[in-house]
Amino acid sequence: DSGVTQTPKHLITATGQRVTLRCSPRSGDLSVYWYQQSLDQGLQFLIQYYNGEERAKGNILERFSAQQFPDLHSELNLSSLELGDSALYFCASSKGGTPSTDTQYFGPGTRLTVL
Amino acid sequence: TQLLEQSPQFLSIQEGENLTVYCNSSSVFSSLQWYRQEPGEGPVLLVTVVTGGEVKKLKRLTFQFGDARKDSSLHITAAQPGDTGLYLCAAYRRGSNYKLTFGKGTLLTVNP
Repeated sequence: DSGVTQTPKHLITATGQRVTLRCSPRSGDLSVYWYQQSLDQGLQFLIQYYNGEERAKGNILERFSAQQFPDLHSELNLSSLELGDSALYFCASSKGGTPSTDTQYFGPGTRLTVL
Repeated sequence: TQLLEQSPQFLSIQEGENLTVYCNSSSVFSSLQWYRQEPGEGPVLLVTVVTGGEVKKLKRLTFQFGDARKDSSLHITAAQPGDTGLYLCAAYRRGSNYKLTFGKGTLLTVNP
């Protein structure tokens, strides 16, 4: 158990819908990262928040958005869903804001299926 | 074009065999990490290497960072069924603005 929690574990929805994925970081960790994992693309970095502020952006689509709240939990919002958005979405957390020196601890993921 | 190329993509071996998996790139990295991911779980960090030529050992696992910091290998001695999983390498490039890039991984199956 990494200490990072993600809800829900599974999510099935239809094209065009909007969903929210939730992540609670480990106690004391200030950074939250979101990743998407699919068979064809592998694990792709989406976005990082550090202490409530956006820190780095990766391959995140405009239909996707995220935020980190004052209690440091984070939400990833996915809208106008397409079949290709079906994937595993992972949240990770770390103590500091510099991934090259901080260990990232990954949650168990949310499996999103878009029908 | 994938920044980090991992090979082989799939590997199925018998318990007790040795194996090596590779992570290659044309880019120079400031650090490189290896993760193991088991089915239904998130990746777990195994090791971070930062110095060219560095070798780190974790029980039966030996990690090496290339002298030019462009490639890395993971060697497992006397593989066990518990080693089964997806092995991912991940790295930062200088000036990548905090973005950790992952390879697609090597899916290892160790049969009893």
